[in-house]
Amino acid sequence: DAGVTQSPTHLIKTRGQQVTLRCSPKSGHDTVSWYQQALGQGPQFIFQYYEEEERQRGNFPDRFSGHQFPNYSSELNVNALLLGDSALYLCASSSRGYNEKLFFGSGTQLSVL
Amino acid sequence: AQSVTQLDSHVSVSEGTPVLLRCNYSSSYSPSLFWYVQHPNKGLQLLLKYTSAATLVKGINGFEAEFKKSETSFHLTKPSAHMSDAAEYFCVVSNFGNEKLTFGTGTRLTIIP
Repeated sequence: DAGVTQSPTHLIKTRGQQVTLRCSPKSGHDTVSWYQQALGQGPQFIFQYYEEEERQRGNFPDRFSGHQFPNYSSELNVNALLLGDSALYLCASSSRGYNEKLFFGSGTQLSVL
Repeated sequence: AQSVTQLDSHVSVSEGTPVLLRCNYSSSYSPSLFWYVQHPNKGLQLLLKYTSAATLVKGINGFEAEFKKSETSFHLTKPSAHMSDAAEYFCVVSNFGNEKLTFGTGTRLTIIP
């Protein structure tokens, strides 16, 4: 039983570029949440997708957008990258929009130069 | 608004001695509280959760935490540290089961042989 898988594992971009990160939830899960973890900090909630809709959103600008597909997989898109967007991006999956037991992937390490 | 404060950024203990990681929370509602562990290059893993049932919560790998409403605390303990416990630990709060998780800044646990 595969857990949460994220791709790519590492990514290097330059300022102003756009990036797409991908996540496949754990088998049986239908909800995907995205978190940003800056170096030395705890993860911060970006948004959550359930039934192909954005259900909740954290305090992130509109440059951060996402999508959920019918197979429950999800993408995180970040436009006009800033140096401050450098972080570990974590995907977490759960069931029916609930957060009481999240399963996390290993993350995508994004470096913006 | 909800928040957690992890009182120690770094804790060092000798192998076989007790572990205490401290966490205080703030929440407008009856909170759900969690402890997650993050090993290097691995995803976050749920250690235990409190959701208004028993105030003493037992988790995996011998960890437990006690919810104290009067002190707004949710400290994590383990009677005897093992080398494999070395990791980053996050205290997490959520107002409702489907609300976003708010992470603390983390406590790095080092085990001295």
